[in-house]
Amino acid sequence: SQQGEEDPQALSIQEGENATMNCSYKTSINNLQWYRQNSGRGLVHLILIRSNEREKHSGRLRVTLDTSKKSSSLLITASRAADTASYFCATDEDSNYQLIWGAGTKLIIKP
Amino acid sequence: EAGVTQSPTHLIKTRGQQVTLRCSPISGHTSVYWYQQALGLGLQFLLWYDEGEERNRGNFPPRFSGRQFPNYSSELNVNALELEDSALYLCASSLGTSAIYNEQFFGPGTRLTVL
Repeated sequence: SQQGEEDPQALSIQEGENATMNCSYKTSINNLQWYRQNSGRGLVHLILIRSNEREKHSGRLRVTLDTSKKSSSLLITASRAADTASYFCATDEDSNYQLIWGAGTKLIIKP
Repeated sequence: EAGVTQSPTHLIKTRGQQVTLRCSPISGHTSVYWYQQALGLGLQFLLWYDEGEERNRGNFPPRFSGRQFPNYSSELNVNALELEDSALYLCASSLGTSAIYNEQFFGPGTRLTVL
């Protein structure tokens, strides 16, 4: 079953621009995680944000979480060619102790 | 520090055959997770092992099974292969005991093609 659903499915921007992708989910969560997948480095963890947190930063990444709207956003500032990848959000289902993954947003950074 | 390793990298099988995929977690990690990722889609949770025990399994038929060895490495077995089993199979490990609280470290995956 899909818990997180990313939006948009695909995004193409110029290098240097900011990229924003969103994740919506259906049930209450403990945490939400963002991962990046590209052919070079495989699947890599970016950020984990807890349900009692509203915003978290890591370098050029900014994640927000709005539990009232059951949504999260990932902002990548000053994009680089190396940011070209698919980005996935993953959330937990209550008492199931497993991550449920969205289908991802495919981000292409044009030089 | 060595990352999560998986073998083989690629595998081609025919319908009805059986396959075994292998995963070695990062040293010190006791939890191993298996995921299936069909082309262009997100990950589907398959199995979670911790300390040699199966802790949870996803919504997959019993022909998907596995085990975890005393050194925390793991095998995923798929019997009676079907065409729709063609996918990238990813293994991940974590320091903590649950994926929902801890960062997972992923291996490069095994690309399985069923003809």
